[in-house]
Amino acid sequence: DTGVSQDPRHKITKRGQNVTFRCDPISEHNRLYWYRQTLGQGPEFLTYFQNEAQLEKSRLLSDRFSAERPKGSFSTLEIQRTEQGDSAMYLCASSSVKGAGNSPLHFGNGTRLTVT
Amino acid sequence: GQQVMQIPQYQHVQEGEDFTTYCNSSTTLSNIQWYKQRPGGHPVFLIQLVKSGEVKKQKRLTFQFGEAKKNSSLHITATQTTDVGTYFCAGPDFGNEKLTFGTGTRLTIIP
Repeated sequence: DTGVSQDPRHKITKRGQNVTFRCDPISEHNRLYWYRQTLGQGPEFLTYFQNEAQLEKSRLLSDRFSAERPKGSFSTLEIQRTEQGDSAMYLCASSSVKGAGNSPLHFGNGTRLTVT
Repeated sequence: GQQVMQIPQYQHVQEGEDFTTYCNSSTTLSNIQWYKQRPGGHPVFLIQLVKSGEVKKQKRLTFQFGEAKKNSSLHITATQTTDVGTYFCAGPDFGNEKLTFGTGTRLTIIP
């Protein structure tokens, strides 16, 4: 178990540029989540996948945000035409479906995005 | 939509004192999870409660799930410097697979 890996750790970009983040989940996990966290706040749900299917997207996720998980393994999150309000920590988490309740989320170290 | 609130937002305690954070959901939860996030780190799963009125203990930590499954609490006995961090509760709506995180309680310890 190598844990959830995210790349890059930090990204500084100018307003209007596109950025893409990558997440590699724990290999046997079939669920993958993207959350966003700003300073002093709890993680805010963005979207999640079960295998390669994107099952839910937050209404907060504008059409500038898109996520993919093409082969049910790694996932990418792209933000087009970045705005200063997009500056945040983007957290990826994975879990496996089993038993009662929701399976625990295993988070990666996140990608910190700064839009200047 | 579902809202999960936690109080207090901040708590400063002397080392050795007890600490409690309370979590309240606007909707009934099928289960509740607790996470700890150290400064500069990512959330780490602590525990999950599923049953109404359930109480679970992990060493100095005691977790409770309310009878109505809309609230929960985390109590730490005799805090230590290693307890520093932000504690989040998280819960799904019934029939929902996403977790909504609470606002968090940031614990700092005065040595």
